[in-house]
Amino acid sequence: NAGVTQTPKFQVLKTGQSMTLQCAQDMNHNSMYWYRQDPGMGLRLIYYSASEGTTDKGEVPNGYNVSRLNKREFSLRLESAAPSQTSVYFCASRVGQGNNQPQHFGDGTRLSIL
Amino acid sequence: DQQVKQNSPSLSVQEGRISILNCDYTNSMFDYFLWYKKYPAEGPTFLISISSIKDKNEDGRFTVFLNKSAKHLSLHIVPSQPGDSAVYFCAASVRGFKTIFGAGTRLFVKA
Repeated sequence: NAGVTQTPKFQVLKTGQSMTLQCAQDMNHNSMYWYRQDPGMGLRLIYYSASEGTTDKGEVPNGYNVSRLNKREFSLRLESAAPSQTSVYFCASRVGQGNNQPQHFGDGTRLSIL
Repeated sequence: DQQVKQNSPSLSVQEGRISILNCDYTNSMFDYFLWYKKYPAEGPTFLISISSIKDKNEDGRFTVFLNKSAKHLSLHIVPSQPGDSAVYFCAASVRGFKTIFGAGTRLFVKA
């Protein structure tokens, strides 16, 4: 059972470089999410996709873009990386938005920007 | 403005004893609450949840209590085991939209 798969697991970038984080789920879930986790801050929502073909901003969307490529895949792009974007990024999926079902998370991408 | 707060960054408990993790929230519209558990280098995994129409939900060694008047929920683990050592996140949502997470509490269970 793969669940939610994120690639890469680790990445080091220089300030100003661009990068796309990939996420795929095999649970036929409609909704997908991108979070970042920083010390003392918990998980903060960057962007989400309630269903295929839709995307919406979360709490901290500045500096990021997303693409819901199909039902399985949801990518996060940093166009011009900044040191403040050093974080652990988690992708998650859920059956659907607006229902009381838990999210399923990938194992994260650890991103360092120098 | 943190809508979901976990004020204890860490908690240490002896094996076999009870672990109590606390969470406070400010948004009275929250109607669904969850606890996630996270091991190092892994993503969070769902542990237990509770709807606002209940005040208690139990699943094996794990029980979540909800006090709506105090806007407080707690997770009880009885008995605690070394394998329970992890970071625990409290989370809340309104009708299943935009889940808000707390900062987490790191639990150490000593053998």
